[in-house]
Amino acid sequence: AAGVIQSPRHLIKEKRETATLKCYPIPRHDTVYWYQQGPGQDPQFLISFYEKMQSDKGSIPDRFSAQQFSDYHSELNMSSLELGDSALYFCASSLGRGVSYEQYFGPGTRLTVT
Amino acid sequence: AQSVTQPDIHITVSEGASLELRCNYSYGATPYLFWYVQSPGQGLQLLLKYFSGDTLVQGIKGFEAEFKRSQSSFNLRKPSVHWSDAAEYFCAVGAYGNTGKLIFGQGTTLQVKP
Repeated sequence: AAGVIQSPRHLIKEKRETATLKCYPIPRHDTVYWYQQGPGQDPQFLISFYEKMQSDKGSIPDRFSAQQFSDYHSELNMSSLELGDSALYFCASSLGRGVSYEQYFGPGTRLTVT
Repeated sequence: AQSVTQPDIHITVSEGASLELRCNYSYGATPYLFWYVQSPGQGLQLLLKYFSGDTLVQGIKGFEAEFKRSQSSFNLRKPSVHWSDAAEYFCAVGAYGNTGKLIFGQGTTLQVKP
């Protein structure tokens, strides 16, 4: 079965650089969630999209922006990177908005900022 | 405020022994509760969920969890642990507003001794 695809899987950037993380949801899924998991920490919700519109927003820095495109894939853009942005970034997709719809998680993108 | 607490950061059990991972939540209404498992280098996989009804829920891989409203708990159990169960386990609650946002606990790392 198709799963959530995230690219790249690993990314190394320097401070103050920009990074773009991509998420390709399971076909026919219309909702995408982004989570950030710092080293040894629990996943923290960043932002979500439903039908290409922002659905909910968490503790996402102003340096970050995201969108969902017409083909439902989503991109998380991160500018002026800081050391503290080093983390595993998960994308999840679901067939509808709301907790009753199971979220399927991708393998994550590991971002290292040096 | 909504929150999830997993009191045990690290648990070690012998293969074949029983397992119980604790989860306590803070939520103002009937919560939507989840248990996820994360293997090294992998995304999060849903083990089971509770929305309403029977307080004992069955999940995949032989796991079950019991919702106890009086104790604000949703503990995960397995009668006999296999070496392949070694992973990190996250308890989560669906946030208010039902946009699908999940609030995770800190996670419990399970180590299985042969």
